Amino acid sequence: SFILTQPPSVSVAPGKTATITCGGHDIGSKSVQWYQQKPGQAPVLVIYFDTDRPSGIPERFSGSNSGNTATLTIGRVEAGDEADYYCQVWDSTSDHYVFGTGTKVTVL
Amino acid sequence: VQLVESGGGMVQPGRSLRLSCAASGFNFGGYAMHWVRQAPGKGLEWVSSINWNSDTIIYADSVKGRFTISRDNAKKSLFLQMNSLRAEDTALYYCVKDSGNLGSNWFDPWGQGTLVTVSS
Repeated sequence: SFILTQPPSVSVAPGKTATITCGGHDIGSKSVQWYQQKPGQAPVLVIYFDTDRPSGIPERFSGSNSGNTATLTIGRVEAGDEADYYCQVWDSTSDHYVFGTGTKVTVL
Repeated sequence: VQLVESGGGMVQPGRSLRLSCAASGFNFGGYAMHWVRQAPGKGLEWVSSINWNSDTIIYADSVKGRFTISRDNAKKSLFLQMNSLRAEDTALYYCVKDSGNLGSNWFDPWGQGTLVTVSS
């Protein structure tokens, strides 16, 4: 089965940039989505189709995808960005949806 | 758009439970739908998906043969029949709308979830 690997945690100071990676074999050939989950809340979509932002998501959130790594970048990090972040793809080989292992972002 | 799950609770191993999801605010019959679960303190796990007219249904390997997804477009409802429940099925179960039909789309929005606890 397709596996998506994320770093368990990322720490960042307010105002700085947080970078969260999502590794998978040839993930660059797939469409990657990113979800933000704050404590006690349901996940919220923040990036779809690798780079697109839903309405209401700040421009500080951006995505990229190439080769074996997709990346979510959060610029000018705020305390409210503290959350768990998950990447997700559709694996057409197995007809399964796959979520990454999740990354906890801590704002120092 | 609103998704409201119900039907969760505590159940003994080996027993059954049926989850429901009531949808409103969009053309329910025009979209694929999903169930995604999250065990306590763990990450997200996709469980099952159904396309708009129920002719394409897929399951995670961990639930295949035990869980059955279905929908009633007239009643704008999604269901998950869970049989032969195991302790490892303990999780918060989310009902999720697809952005279109099955495939390389995105999950948005998510319901608030219903908690299933499997324990003797």
